[in-house]
Amino acid sequence: AQTVTQSQPEMSVQEAETVTLSCTYDTSESDYYLFWYKQPPSRQMILVIRQEAYKQQNATENRFSVNFQKAAKSFSLKISDSQLGDAAMYFCAYRRTQGGSEKLVFGKGMKLTVNP
Amino acid sequence: NAGVMQNPRHLVRRRGQEARLRCSPMKGHSHVYWYRQLPEEGLKFMVYLQKENIIDESGMPKERFSAEFPKEGPSILRIQQVVRGDSAAYFCASSPSRGGHYGYTFGSGTRLTVV
Repeated sequence: AQTVTQSQPEMSVQEAETVTLSCTYDTSESDYYLFWYKQPPSRQMILVIRQEAYKQQNATENRFSVNFQKAAKSFSLKISDSQLGDAAMYFCAYRRTQGGSEKLVFGKGMKLTVNP
Repeated sequence: NAGVMQNPRHLVRRRGQEARLRCSPMKGHSHVYWYRQLPEEGLKFMVYLQKENIIDESGMPKERFSAEFPKEGPSILRIQQVVRGDSAAYFCASSPSRGGHYGYTFGSGTRLTVV
């Protein structure tokens, strides 16, 4: 079964500092996609970054980067130069494909607080 | 280009009533996915639809829940005879084709409260 685990329910970081959010997943597929989504208090789900499993290079998007360890099935998100606007729930997700269907499997999320 | 539009934003229903949640995908998107988010939880897949077809409803409760995506108009998630346990945020996402590897575009959700 495909599962996504975010073991830290909450974290806090000082503004301008760096924080790393952890995520592990379980899959029997060899080619897949992983995502980090941000959910601010507005409840909107915002795609932060995506990683293709067949690419060894870690994805980066401005201040956001991932550390993708395929063998360990680990997919952590690093936020550099944290800003107050980064405060939100963060969800790790795995895109599961099966037959003619596809869906995202989400972790339970992690609440990030940014302290001024 | 408007994003995924969901309405209403908030919906209050009494136990036993029906709830209808609407989702208009992004222009040009023909694939729609519904997810449910319970308090303090991540999103859970419910159903995947294309125009006039249900592709995967493995996440839908067997009773009281149904979904459709007609040729014209928005996708509808319908919950009959709502119960307190149906209270949750319901999100819709869309993609232009089967290819959510780019990441789906989500709406802002409908928060359903059953009283």
